[in-house]
Amino acid sequence: GAVVSQHPSRVICKSGTSVKIECRSLDFQATTMFWYRQFPKKSLMLMATSNEGSKATYEQGVEKDKFLINHASLTLSTLTVTSAHPEDSSFYICSARVSDYGGTYNEQFFGPGTRLTVL
Amino acid sequence: KQEVTQIPAALSVPEGENLVLNCSFTDSAIYNLQWFRQDPGKGLTSLLLIQSSQREQTSGRLNASLDKSSGRSTLYIAASQPGDSATYLCAVLGGKLIFGQGTELSVKP
Repeated sequence: GAVVSQHPSRVICKSGTSVKIECRSLDFQATTMFWYRQFPKKSLMLMATSNEGSKATYEQGVEKDKFLINHASLTLSTLTVTSAHPEDSSFYICSARVSDYGGTYNEQFFGPGTRLTVL
Repeated sequence: KQEVTQIPAALSVPEGENLVLNCSFTDSAIYNLQWFRQDPGKGLTSLLLIQSSQREQTSGRLNASLDKSSGRSTLYIAASQPGDSATYLCAVLGGKLIFGQGTELSVKP
């Protein structure tokens, strides 16, 4: 299957700082990437859909000024957590979708996740 | 709004037992359904993907079925092993990929 990488895998930062997380599709181009957040013992919550060359689409309740998403190329999307606070501590996972031209085949491949801890 | 439910939330079985994990969804207008495995502190590993036109998919000891009309899917694990211990997530793709809460499986030696 297609490979998606994330960097860093783990980050600890002080409250009030900003943290950038990178998501890369290594062996395919992805016009659409997704950012999820996962709390301990909970399922994945979709935060936003990242579209190459255009603005991200945020899910209801997700602060777009807090979680900045940039999808500057077909293989890279970044999530920046601005002015991080302890409640932003979580496991962030990105995903890239592979689709055929007809749109009948769609599969999402996931990165290994980034553990963010805000002190 | 699509809702995905997984039952049971947790399951503990002795090694060698066959087991079934259940997933249900409320909106049958889906492209596909995926089953994932997640180990503690790790990302997701895709196990099986069933297209909406398919009824089942098999990979090794795993078999997943899909009944779109009733909004149900099952993941069957044959001859379970301690290495199968993990959280299993199902997810359905409509416009977005929506996840269930997961089933935490523990296989005891």
